[in-house]
Amino acid sequence: AQTVTQSQPEMSVQEAETVTLSCTYDTSESDYYLFWYKQPPSRQMILVIRQEAYKQQNATENRFSVNFQKAAKSFSLKISDSQLGDAAMYFCAFVVSGNTPLVFGKGTRLSVIA
Amino acid sequence: DVKVTQSSRYLVKRTGEKVFLECVQDMDHENMFWYRQDPGLGLRLIYFSYDVKMKEKGDIPEGYSVSREKKERFSLILESASTNQTSMYLCASSPGGSGRNEQFFGPGTRLTVL
Repeated sequence: AQTVTQSQPEMSVQEAETVTLSCTYDTSESDYYLFWYKQPPSRQMILVIRQEAYKQQNATENRFSVNFQKAAKSFSLKISDSQLGDAAMYFCAFVVSGNTPLVFGKGTRLSVIA
Repeated sequence: DVKVTQSSRYLVKRTGEKVFLECVQDMDHENMFWYRQDPGLGLRLIYFSYDVKMKEKGDIPEGYSVSREKKERFSLILESASTNQTSMYLCASSPGGSGRNEQFFGPGTRLTVL
């Protein structure tokens, strides 16, 4: 079975500091996509960043970057210069092909302290 | 931008009522999904559809059914609502096929069954 594990149910970070959210996954497939989604309180879930498994280069989107370790099946999210608006639930997910559902982790709730 | 809309943000129903949750996407996506989200449990897949009139059971289909008569619309039906179906329900869509596979989410419907 394909699984995603987020080992940190809750984390906190000081404003302007850097935080890393952990994610590990398990699959026997070699080609897949990995995602981090953000769900702010009472707001819509949005995609933060995406990584194709065949790409060795880690994806970056402004203050968000990932550390993708394919052999270790690890996909962590780093948020630099944390802002109050980064406070949210973050979900790690992956998908093997376009017509199958994403497999989600249980989420990490991030608090940002002013 | 892809837009996924859900018919209600908040809904209150009585035990035993038949409940319809509607989801519409405007980007001609092949795939549509229904999840429920509960604290500590993350997102759990109820049903998904990869084509009109096609449906596949997810992880927790019991007590639910779905309908997809048109490509853009995917309905979740609670035949006889029960209190343990009180939850946040999220609809999502994705393009399907190879390439871009991320899911786009609606704002969610918070259902309370009394």
